[in-house]
Amino acid sequence: DAGITQSPRYKITETGRQVTLMCHQTWSHSYMFWYRQDLGHGLRLIYYSAAADITDKGEVPDGYVVSRSKTENFPLTLESATRSQTSVYFCASSESVKGAFASYEQYFGPGTRLTVT
Amino acid sequence: AQSVTQLGSHVSVSEGALVLLRCNYSSSVPPYLFWYVQYPNQGLQLLLKYTSAATLVKGINGFEAEFKKSETSFHLTKPSAHMSDAAEYFCAVRRNTGGFKTIFGAGTRLFVKA
Repeated sequence: DAGITQSPRYKITETGRQVTLMCHQTWSHSYMFWYRQDLGHGLRLIYYSAAADITDKGEVPDGYVVSRSKTENFPLTLESATRSQTSVYFCASSESVKGAFASYEQYFGPGTRLTVT
Repeated sequence: AQSVTQLGSHVSVSEGALVLLRCNYSSSVPPYLFWYVQYPNQGLQLLLKYTSAATLVKGINGFEAEFKKSETSFHLTKPSAHMSDAAEYFCAVRRNTGGFKTIFGAGTRLFVKA
């Protein structure tokens, strides 16, 4: 089915372990984003990508690594998970449309609930 | 710098009553403004967006929002709440002069009482 998917939907891991969250979109959108959602903080941008092989830091990048070798995939890796990284992670994508009414709205995946014990 | 403030982390209304969720923004340039809705255990989905074409914007599920530049506000309203409107709502702002970054508010959880 077309859309944006995330896997796994739920993950429990231990402190210090590496974990990778997957994100896949079928629209060929140029932009992709990773957010974390924590109570009282809304959504905070971790990393973003403007195109394949182009990534950059967002608001809270420490402890995370991303890559984008293909347009449709944007995995997020926690190199050594910490309890403070317990959160719900959302992937999103957006078109790169030029024009007066281009709004660049974002399309979100269903989220991954990550618990670090 | 852009920012978004949503007034009230929780709003409770009775079924059939007016829904009013408040959002104020700050932006040094004319912005794009969005309202997203998040149902339990789901991602965010777009309710409506303001892109400078019209100040009153109609969205899905009977919601609408009015852009008021003088008040730097973009409040979300619905004349009559339905139980299915219970969700979390996020206001977001994005510069319309290029770039990608969208700033989200902290969210307002809407409760609808029978």
